[in-house]
Parts: sequence; C-alpha cells; structure tokens
Amino acid sequence: NAGVTQTPKFQVLKTGQSMTLQCAQDMNHNSMYWYRQDPGMGLRLIYYSASEGTTDKGEVPNGYNVSRLNKREFSLRLESAAPSQTSVYFCASSESGGMGTDTQYFGPGTRLTVL
Amino acid sequence: QKEVEQNSGPLSVPEGAIASLNCTYSDRGSQSFFWYRQYSGKSPELIMSIYSNGDKEDGRFTAQLNKASQYVSLLIRDSQPSDSATYLCAVAAGGYQKVTFGIGTKLQVIP
Repeated sequence: NAGVTQTPKFQVLKTGQSMTLQCAQDMNHNSMYWYRQDPGMGLRLIYYSASEGTTDKGEVPNGYNVSRLNKREFSLRLESAAPSQTSVYFCASSESGGMGTDTQYFGPGTRLTVL
Repeated sequence: QKEVEQNSGPLSVPEGAIASLNCTYSDRGSQSFFWYRQYSGKSPELIMSIYSNGDKEDGRFTAQLNKASQYVSLLIRDSQPSDSATYLCAVAAGGYQKVTFGIGTKLQVIP
C-alpha cells in the first residue's frame, strides 16, 4: 500500500517548456488535490477533484491545467512554464464521504525549478 | 486577510517542556480542523483531527477547539528534539470542501 505517489521528484525546466506532474493514490479515495508550497506562503490549492469526472479551480489556478484520468490518477500540467512557478508541488487525496473522512493524505512532493 | 492565522515562529522550547501552538480561523462555518507536522524537505503528515469543541488527546499531543472563539491549538507534552518541525493548522467546511492551511509554526526543541 503505497498511499499517494508523485512523479517526478525533481524537475528543472526552462521558461516556456511544458511538463506534466503525475499523481496516483491506492487508497480508493474519492477526492484529489494539487497544492503548491512556497516559503512564507504556506500550502495553496491549485486545483481539486471532488470525485472522478469533476475538477474545480482552487486559489491559484492560473498557468495550470489538470486531468482526473480515473479514480486513482490526477495529473497537473504546466503548458508554458514561468519562473514564478518554481515551487514544491504536493498532491493529496481524501476519502471525502462526510465528516471524519476529509483528512488529506499527501504525496512526497515534486520540487520544480523554472529557469 | 488570511483565513487561517498562525505565528510563523520559530517557537523554541527546552526538551521536556510543553509546546503550545495556536491557530485562529475566520470562517464560522468551519467544521473540520487538522494539525499536520512537516519536517524540512518532507510532505505534511497528519497528527490530529478534531471536530467538536473541547480537547482531544493522543499520546503526547492534545488538540483543543473553541468554535465560539474560532481558535484551535495543539499542545505537545514532554517535547522531544524529534518534534522539531513546522506545524500546519488546517481548517475545512467538511466533506470534499476546500481545506485552508495556515503558513505553519516552526517549532524548535532545544536539547
């Protein structure tokens, strides 16, 4: 039982390049989330998927797109990377069937640098 | 205005002391409250969740919730150097609703 996995762990991009961050969970959770974490800013929600087939914008969605491929997988795409997107990206999932099932479990993170 | 407020610290306590971490939130409709611990370079991991007013204890950790004052705290008894980390307070309206995180309080336990 791996929990939440993310690939890659590290990535360096040049401005304007594109890439997709992959996330998968094996806990049969309904909801999945993408966050970025920057010093002094805390965790900020980029996009989330409440259930398979749905996605919604979070606090900082500009410059990103997401795909909920199936119940297990939720990917984050940067179409044209910018230095402002240098950050640590975390994927998380939760069961989200009601009170007490909304705890989020985090993946190990992807450290992205855009030059 | 940040919806979840925490003092960024660092909060320094001697080994064996009680560490008290505090958090206030602005949304009175919040129903779910969490404390996560994050070691440097690692991902957040859940320590405690609390949903009702009062105290909830788990080993050396006690979470306290006061919805009237919109205040949630985490007490760590007998603090150990291994407790040195950043502690994130998180608040949600419940279910799949958006969870809002504070910026975290950095705790340093001095041997």
